[in-house]
Amino acid sequence: AQKVTQAQTEISVVEKEDVTLDCVYETRDTTYYLFWYKQPPSGELVFLIRRNSFDEQNEISGRYSWNFQKSTSSFNFTITASQVVDSAVYFCALSETNTGANSKLTFGKGITLSVRP
Amino acid sequence: ETGVTQSPTHLIKTRGQQVTLRCSSQSGHNTVSWYQQALGQGPQFIFQYYREEENGRGNFPPRFSGLQFPNYSSELNVNALELDDSALYLCASSLGGTSVSYEQYFGPGTRLTVT
Repeated sequence: AQKVTQAQTEISVVEKEDVTLDCVYETRDTTYYLFWYKQPPSGELVFLIRRNSFDEQNEISGRYSWNFQKSTSSFNFTITASQVVDSAVYFCALSETNTGANSKLTFGKGITLSVRP
Repeated sequence: ETGVTQSPTHLIKTRGQQVTLRCSSQSGHNTVSWYQQALGQGPQFIFQYYREEENGRGNFPPRFSGLQFPNYSSELNVNALELDDSALYLCASSLGGTSVSYEQYFGPGTRLTVT
């Protein structure tokens, strides 16, 4: 069975600090997708990134970067020079591939990030 | 391009009652998934509909049921409500089939409170 573990529950940083959110996953599949979503207080989950299991290249998008390491089953997310607007709950999720329609997402419990001015 | 919409935004029901939640998928998407998010937890997969058929179900009892319509909008029905059903219910749409996309786009959710 697939599982996503986000061991950090709450992180508090001061604006402009860098912060890394950890994600460790378990799956028996060789082909799968990993995701990060952001959930602001409004409640809507905002898609941030998708990474497939065959692509271990790190990715950078502005202040956001992601480090995927298959050897340690980790998919960590770093925010550089954090801003108050980054305050939210961040979820890591796993989807095993399936024929036909999309597979279900298995989410971690989320990490609450608070960025103080 | 219209995003995913859900109605109602908030709902208060009494234990034992029935509730129907609605979701309109993003334009061009043919797959709708429903998730339950209890306070302080990550979303849990309830079920998914693809082209009006159920396509996968999580660990939820049969009193959770759903429908998908020809325009790909969807309903989640919960019968015999229990206090533990109080949660944020999220709908996500995506594109499935021959052009499979695993990106699911979420609506704002319906906050259900059972008293």
